[in-house]
Amino acid sequence: GQQVMQIPQYQHVQEGEDFTTYCNSSTTLSNIQWYKQRPGGHPVFLIQLVKSGEVKKQKRLTFQFGEAKKNSSLHITATQTTDVGTYFCAGRGAGGTSYGKLTFGQGTILTVHP
Amino acid sequence: ETGVTQSPTHLIKTRGQQVTLRCSSQSGHNTVSWYQQALGQGPQFIFQYYREEENGRGNFPPRFSGLQFPNYSSELNVNALELDDSALYLCASSLGQGQSVLGYTFGSGTRLTVV
Repeated sequence: GQQVMQIPQYQHVQEGEDFTTYCNSSTTLSNIQWYKQRPGGHPVFLIQLVKSGEVKKQKRLTFQFGEAKKNSSLHITATQTTDVGTYFCAGRGAGGTSYGKLTFGQGTILTVHP
Repeated sequence: ETGVTQSPTHLIKTRGQQVTLRCSSQSGHNTVSWYQQALGQGPQFIFQYYREEENGRGNFPPRFSGLQFPNYSSELNVNALELDDSALYLCASSLGQGQSVLGYTFGSGTRLTVV
């Protein structure tokens, strides 16, 4: 079945440093979504990427979808303590039987030291 | 606009028992998905309901079942609980289904502990 791998598992940064997490799927995706989960909280939707090679920005966050639609990345510029949490990518398969099924990566836990 | 609400927030059950978890979807959302999140892992898709019918299922045994009601709220039932069923159970609602769905709105989850 479809697998989504995410690296790194942990990332510790000083406030102001940049952060990047990478996501790779074993199969071609129709789209990929990114979520943030604060400690003790639930996943919160950040963005969805659909097109091959798509790049989207949200303030300090930059999201990319690979040309082959099998990989994606999230880059945070100049991290702040409010960025702390686990960042998940979640891919939807390109097949017609993928109704509803998002395959989540294991997540990258980001800690930011002030 | 209300978000997704789940009940109960915490639950402790004994191995072999049955449990029912409840979810009220966000206003205007007609699709509900359920996910299981073990500690330190990403959410795993259990199934999705649209128009009161299950229309997608992950790799979970039949003892995991669900319902969706005409008001789009939903239940997740788990029979014959096992220790490995201990996890955070997340309900996510959305408008539409399949490839047209945008981001999901997750509830705060039910923390189930099986002892």
